Amino acid sequence: GAGVSQSPSNKVTEKGKDVELRCDPISGHTALYWYRQSLGQGLEFLIYFQGNSAPDKSGLPSDRFSAERTGGSVSTLTIQRTQQEDSAVYLCASSPWGDEQYFGPGTRLTVT
Amino acid sequence: GDSVTQMEGPVTLSEEAFLTINCTYTATGYPSLFWYVQYPGEGLQLLLKATKADDKGSNKGFEATYRKETTSFHLEKGSVQVSDSAVYFCALIHTGGFKTIFGAGTRLFVKA
Repeated sequence: GAGVSQSPSNKVTEKGKDVELRCDPISGHTALYWYRQSLGQGLEFLIYFQGNSAPDKSGLPSDRFSAERTGGSVSTLTIQRTQQEDSAVYLCASSPWGDEQYFGPGTRLTVT
Repeated sequence: GDSVTQMEGPVTLSEEAFLTINCTYTATGYPSLFWYVQYPGEGLQLLLKATKADDKGSNKGFEATYRKETTSFHLEKGSVQVSDSAVYFCALIHTGGFKTIFGAGTRLFVKA
């Protein structure tokens, strides 16, 4: 069956522009996660959705970051007024029960 | 707060050598423990997991035992192959929770 998909796969944007990153989870998975992976670093937890609700947004690095999930399916991570330090790979994962996670291929964001 | 510490890489081994990648954790209660693997150019995928003390997770010749007394979950393989070259991540999540804590990752190179 189809896995987790993310779009775009690569995004180059100018500093100060807004970007939207999309995640399509595996059908039927109620849990959805966003992570950030900077070069040579581990995964930084950003936000988690159970259904359409995000119980904990404390992992978002700043108020320039926001995320939403609609219909218990697709999720969008939005970064406003991008900065160079936002350059990273943004990973999405979904899970049927909030335990074992299935990852997408990621979106590589480069802010110039 | 919770944390996961992995041995720093890169680890370079010859084919058929024995592999150990150390992972220790700090957490309250009894989290579930995971090893994820990221092959070159691919997304993260679950390698193995253990959900309670003394459980042994195993897959593809890799294994790890949940040691509560030493708060460890070391990854081992008796004979590595070139195809095992990848980045390995140790992670934990609390039962019923959602925030997943990942280690920084350990890069493994296996030479023919």
